[in-house]
Amino acid sequence: AQTVTQSQPEMSVQEAETVTLSCTYDTSESNYYLFWYKQPPSRQMILVIRQEAYKQQNATENRFSVNFQKAAKSFSLKISDSQLGDTAMYFCAFRRGSTLGRLYFGRGTQLTVWP
Amino acid sequence: SQTIHQWPATLVQPVGSPLSLECTVEGTSNPNLYWYRQAAGRGLQLLFYSVGIGQISSEVPQNLSASRPQDRQFILSSKKLLLSDSGFYLCAWNEPGNTIYFGEGSWLTVV
Repeated sequence: AQTVTQSQPEMSVQEAETVTLSCTYDTSESNYYLFWYKQPPSRQMILVIRQEAYKQQNATENRFSVNFQKAAKSFSLKISDSQLGDTAMYFCAFRRGSTLGRLYFGRGTQLTVWP
Repeated sequence: SQTIHQWPATLVQPVGSPLSLECTVEGTSNPNLYWYRQAAGRGLQLLFYSVGIGQISSEVPQNLSASRPQDRQFILSSKKLLLSDSGFYLCAWNEPGNTIYFGEGSWLTVV
């Protein structure tokens, strides 16, 4: 079975600073995908970034980047130049590489960006 | 481009009443469809998924059911709601093998 662990229930960062959210996962699969989703107060789940396990290069989307350590089964999210609008619950998620590919979620990290 | 719509956005229902939440996806064909529930302060739990019309798989035994009467329509139902059915329900979709995208969500409060 796949498990995803987010060990930081809450984090806070000052505006314009950098913050890193941690995620570890456990799987015996060799082909899989990892995601970070953001859930702002509106509760809609928004994709932040995606990483394919077969790619060694870390994914980057503007101010968001990941540190993917496959051997350690670690997938952290770095947010640079934090903005007030980044305040949200962040979920790490795992999906097998199959065509169905249901998501397995961590319990989330509540990030608060303060002025 | 593909879009997903989910309604109603908010629902307050008495215990024992029926439920119907609807989700439709536009701009794609034969998507995988999912229903997730998020209880207060907790992560997301997969309730149902569907790989095609009339094909429903349930992840957990419960008071709810799902149906897929059309290719891009996914419905979550209950004949008699329980207090424990309260929560935030999210519909999601993906093209097979691709990233999963979520709808806006539906708040259900059972009173």
